Amino acid sequence: DVVMTQTPVSLSLAIGQPASISCKSSQSLLGTSGKTFLNWILQRPGQSPKRLIYQVSKLYSEVPDRFSGSGSETEFTLKISRVEAEDLGVYYCWQGTHFPLTFGSGTKLEIK
Amino acid sequence: EVQLVESGGGLVQPGRSLKLSCVASGFTFNNYWMTWIRQAPGKGLEWVASITNTGGSTYYPDSVKGRFTISRDNAKSTLYLQMNSLRSEDTATYYCTSPAYWGQGTLVTVSS
Repeated sequence: DVVMTQTPVSLSLAIGQPASISCKSSQSLLGTSGKTFLNWILQRPGQSPKRLIYQVSKLYSEVPDRFSGSGSETEFTLKISRVEAEDLGVYYCWQGTHFPLTFGSGTKLEIK
Repeated sequence: EVQLVESGGGLVQPGRSLKLSCVASGFTFNNYWMTWIRQAPGKGLEWVASITNTGGSTYYPDSVKGRFTISRDNAKSTLYLQMNSLRSEDTATYYCTSPAYWGQGTLVTVSS
């Protein structure tokens, strides 16, 4: 199984500060299609997860452009250029290249 | 507007069965693979099952293989999860995902 390792476990940031979350996979997520199925989701307190980014760096239409994703093969990063209050919650990376699908353990973003 | 509405959760005794449903709307259901993902109380996310858009192929992790069955009715835009031989470790909120979109989840509690 592909192990997804997320760091840090938690972040405490003030509004306007940048954020960076790392996600590393135990094997390459580059699929035979040439696509890399690495996704990011956000789970706000008491809510179901919401989509943010797919295929490493593609933002869903409703996601603000202060979010960005990058990386390749086994190392990936989610960045928020300037944190806003609505960004609090737990961020998960997950991979859809290999079965079983696997998730990172999450990064909790708190707002100071 | 895309909606995924799960139902069928509840309290069930160990060893018994339960069937979850997820009604989809706002997108062309029969064009998409569908997936069930669960989250134990206070824990991270775990993949439970996936099914191709036609229903011709299904995929499971070892933790539920042989006990759970994913299926779909494209005419009704509905996804199902039949859960048999339930165990206490199956206690979780079960989410239906497209997987770009997530439902609100339905809570399954396995306890005597």
